[in-house]
Amino acid sequence: EPEVTQTPSHQVTQMGQEVILRCVPISNHLYFYWYRQILGQKVEFLVSFYNNEISEKSEIFDDQFSVERPDGSNFTLKIRSTKLEDSAMYFCASSLGTGNSPLHFGNGTRLTVT
Amino acid sequence: GNSVTQMEGPVTLSEEAFLTINCTYTATGYPSLFWYVQYPGEGLQLLLKATKADDKGSNKGFEATYRKETTSFHLEKGSVQVSDSAVYFCALTLNSGGYQKVTFGIGTKLQVIP
Repeated sequence: EPEVTQTPSHQVTQMGQEVILRCVPISNHLYFYWYRQILGQKVEFLVSFYNNEISEKSEIFDDQFSVERPDGSNFTLKIRSTKLEDSAMYFCASSLGTGNSPLHFGNGTRLTVT
Repeated sequence: GNSVTQMEGPVTLSEEAFLTINCTYTATGYPSLFWYVQYPGEGLQLLLKATKADDKGSNKGFEATYRKETTSFHLEKGSVQVSDSAVYFCALTLNSGGYQKVTFGIGTKLQVIP
């Protein structure tokens, strides 16, 4: 069964550094998403992406965040200047976008900001 | 706004015990309802779903029925196994022309002991 894959599985970075989290969605899916889960807390919506533009973003997704689909297969989340509070598990997801097709999630990237 | 409320864990059960994890929701419109499961160290996996009132979703011995009158989607399993130990997330989406934004509950950790 096709999967959403995310790399790396764990990223450690220093405060103020830029990080890029990478995702390869399922190939025929049209909608792409990023969610995050701070340790022990709720899974929170960050952003959705369709037709090469952002469909919706949450309050969390401020100017420090950006998303891109650079080559038709990868879907990236960039954090320009990381803060300690950005430490979390980041999940990429994709969906077909037809009817009630569910989101398929990747295994996540654990980001640790020191 | 849309929200999902689920019982806080952790829930500790002996093997072969009966499981219920309560979930209620608030939504504008007619949501689809989901249970996702997160095994230790892994990402979010779709466990089951129901897209309209009175639908029953089922998978791997787990069941949940979409109850519109009580706005609930409780997860049940008749006989849990140690391998069911995981965090379970109740979630809803409101389909808007193919785009779906998932609203998650806080997650309930289940620990099954032999």
